[in-house]
Amino acid sequence: NAGVTQTPKFQVLKTGQSMTLQCAQDMNHEYMSWYRQDPGMGLRLIHYSVGAGITDQGEVPNGYNVSRSTTEDFPLRLLSAAPSQTSVYFCASSTTGGDEKLFFGSGTQLSVL
Amino acid sequence: AQSVTQLDSHVSVSEGTPVLLRCNYSSSYSPSLFWYVQHPNKGLQLLLKYTSAATLVKGINGFEAEFKKSETSFHLTKPSAHMSDAAEYFCVVTNLYGQNFVFGPGTRLSVLP
Repeated sequence: NAGVTQTPKFQVLKTGQSMTLQCAQDMNHEYMSWYRQDPGMGLRLIHYSVGAGITDQGEVPNGYNVSRSTTEDFPLRLLSAAPSQTSVYFCASSTTGGDEKLFFGSGTQLSVL
Repeated sequence: AQSVTQLDSHVSVSEGTPVLLRCNYSSSYSPSLFWYVQHPNKGLQLLLKYTSAATLVKGINGFEAEFKKSETSFHLTKPSAHMSDAAEYFCVVTNLYGQNFVFGPGTRLSVLP
């Protein structure tokens, strides 16, 4: 019963460094998404995917890339980290077609210095 | 376009007294609505979900919410607060296809002994 697995749990980067946040789910969900959580702003959608090979932008996509080569995995890439990307990142997955509800990973706390 | 307003950023109640967390939404479609809870330093857990089957929705841990279309509201209530209810609560709306989950900014619930 792994559900949604995110790695790493914590990460510190220097400005300009790149990294990939990993997300995997074992529930065969079509829909996967990445959110960032900042104080007083709730969760904001970065990118989402409705199936392998299909991705789309959310509310705050700038500075982030995604790909979806398999149903299970949905990595989030920061190409050149900036201090404004300091945040807590959550990956979530869901079924589609009428019984949608998001299942969340445990989060990644990212600090960019 | 969809949006969610949570009318209180912080609510404080005494243990054993009722809880009311307010949420108003805007949606072009018949929405699906959710409440999620986030305990300190934890991920997000689904409390309850509305999908038009019944206007009064019962969730976990004694919480319930009532969908009022005329008021575009989906307020969360609990008859008697418990110390373990202290957490951040998010109201969420999604569109017909469950592809864009929009979060409110959150309400922090404090429960006083």
